[in-house]
Amino acid sequence: AQSVTQLGSHVSVSEGALVLLRCNYSSSVPPYLFWYVQYPNQGLQLLLKYTTGATLVKGINGFEAEFKKSETSFHLTKPSAHMSDAAEYFCAVSDNNFNKFYFGSGTKLNVKP
Amino acid sequence: DTAVSQTPKYLVTQMGNDKSIKCEQNLGHDTMYWYKQDSKKFLKIMFSYNNKELIINETVPNRFSPKSPDKAHLNLHINSLELGDSAVYFCASSQSGGLQETQYFGPGTRLLVL
Repeated sequence: AQSVTQLGSHVSVSEGALVLLRCNYSSSVPPYLFWYVQYPNQGLQLLLKYTTGATLVKGINGFEAEFKKSETSFHLTKPSAHMSDAAEYFCAVSDNNFNKFYFGSGTKLNVKP
Repeated sequence: DTAVSQTPKYLVTQMGNDKSIKCEQNLGHDTMYWYKQDSKKFLKIMFSYNNKELIINETVPNRFSPKSPDKAHLNLHINSLELGDSAVYFCASSQSGGLQETQYFGPGTRLLVL
């Protein structure tokens, strides 16, 4: 069975600081991995995804994530936080063999001026 | 141009009522989904339809019934609403049924059952 764990339900950083949101997954087969962002009162928006190929994936708004198979991780990073990055971030994993799609519990990012 | 739209945006109703939430996508996608996001922000897939055919049906009460009149629409009907049904319901669509495909989400329908 697949599952997703996001460490830290709340992360607070200062504007301009590094953003690191952690995601670990468990999967019995090679996973497809996603990061979504949810702004207040809005639906989810895809930031980036990993399916195959290069393990460092670049997404929108300056975010990137690296798939590390040995660590079963797919952490999301951004070198310099902006106030507009304040939102909830969801990691997700899917497994095409079983046609399932699982979200983590979300991490709320707060950016301080 | 809204890619995935849901109506209504807010829905407040009494226990025991029957209600429907509508979803439409204008992306030409083959697959549509319904998700439930609970008060703790946990997102869970409920249903998935590919070309009007059900392909994922997670363990949800049979009071929830999806209906897909055509590829562009996937409506969610809920019978005998219960307090625990209060949540935000998101519709999504993707090009094909493969879950590596990017899913595009609607803005959500906030359901409150009193």
